[in-house]
Amino acid sequence: NAGVMQNPRHLVRRRGQEARLRCSPMKGHSHVYWYRQLPEEGLKFMVYLQKENIIDESGMPKERFSAEFPKEGPSILRIQQVVRGDSAAYFCASSPSPTAYGYTFGSGTRLTVV
Amino acid sequence: EDQVTQSPEALRLQEGESSSLNCSYTVSGLRGLFWYRQDPGKGPEFLFTLYSAGEEKEKERLKATLTKKESFLHITAPKPEDSATYLCAVQAREGGKLIFGQGTELSVKP
Repeated sequence: NAGVMQNPRHLVRRRGQEARLRCSPMKGHSHVYWYRQLPEEGLKFMVYLQKENIIDESGMPKERFSAEFPKEGPSILRIQQVVRGDSAAYFCASSPSPTAYGYTFGSGTRLTVV
Repeated sequence: EDQVTQSPEALRLQEGESSSLNCSYTVSGLRGLFWYRQDPGKGPEFLFTLYSAGEEKEKERLKATLTKKESFLHITAPKPEDSATYLCAVQAREGGKLIFGQGTELSVKP
């Protein structure tokens, strides 16, 4: 029973490029959450998705960031025209329902913008 | 606004020296309070969920307790392998997201 799979583990992008982060939830989980962890900071909520729907995007920056969770395939967090301030660890978590006890987190994607 | 504050930011213990980590919270109707452990370079690992004041849960050397305003993670006779960052989070009744504190970085020396 594979856990939450995130790839790539490490991603290096030049300023102005696009970054695409992928998250495959645990089998049977239809709820996905994205969090960002900046160096020396805590986990900050970005977006909550259910299959084909964005439920809560209150933590997403208004520009350059988007997320999707299609009917088939992984959830994608997309960052356009990356800047150095986007360098962080991005974690995905999944759950079978929003009231489930404990979300399961992936190992994260560490984005470095050079 | 829902908020979580953890203290101390960092804690250094000798092996076998018991202590407690604090998590103070404000939330508009608590659905659950969560404790996670995070090792360097890894994702958070689920430890406990507490749902109501007075509830306690234990796992090996860890014990989590909950009041209406705060939660404590008690570590009894810690070992070096307990060294990690411990994260506290709350979930409000309205909505599915978790709001995390900054974490407490625990270091246990042999």
